[in-house]
Amino acid sequence: DTGVSQNPRHKITKRGQNVTFRCDPISEHNRLYWYRQTLGQGPEFLTYFQNEAQLEKSRLLSDRFSAERPKGSFSTLEIQRTEQGDSAMYLCASSFTRGEETQYFGPGTRLLVL
Amino acid sequence: GDSVTQMEGPVTLSEEAFLTINCTYTATGYPSLFWYVQYPGEGLQLLLKATKADDKGSNKGFEATYRKETTSFHLEKGSVQVSDSAVYFCALLRTGGYNKLIFGAGTRLAVHP
Repeated sequence: DTGVSQNPRHKITKRGQNVTFRCDPISEHNRLYWYRQTLGQGPEFLTYFQNEAQLEKSRLLSDRFSAERPKGSFSTLEIQRTEQGDSAMYLCASSFTRGEETQYFGPGTRLLVL
Repeated sequence: GDSVTQMEGPVTLSEEAFLTINCTYTATGYPSLFWYVQYPGEGLQLLLKATKADDKGSNKGFEATYRKETTSFHLEKGSVQVSDSAVYFCALLRTGGYNKLIFGAGTRLAVHP
């Protein structure tokens, strides 16, 4: 299967701990996006990369959040000093710049901060 | 700013009933429009899309027509099945270098036998 994959699928952590999520996009896609979805809401954009360059960041992405895509392939999203308000589903998507630019989503990582 | 408004759920239907989920949008220019579906505990799956006015997207019996005059992209299906029970999200993507999808709040559909 060559879809978008995310790991881990679930993460439970204690407040104040750091967590890191990984996203592997569809192999030929050069754009990668992170979104956050809270219960009962639609996903909200966090940031996106074109190849290894991070081109846009939402105001939702506080200083405790950092995302990287070091070789233009997989990406990591790290949350430092987690807070209970960080509990959400973190979704990754990828797309290709030529053509339709449809974004394809992974299964998500569900984070629970206790 | 850009926004998407969906009808509130949950929508509860009997199997084989007709489905309509309303979606309207506000955006500058001519966005592309999408419907995504989310099954319990899973990520979003693209259901259908339309990239210009009067385009009709269709997939798995679902249809939606891009209506610029009413800024709408309503989702329809003639005969729903229990397996269609999920949350449906309408979304827009502005053209011209903007890359973030703007989603509605989602509409939960429950189909009973």
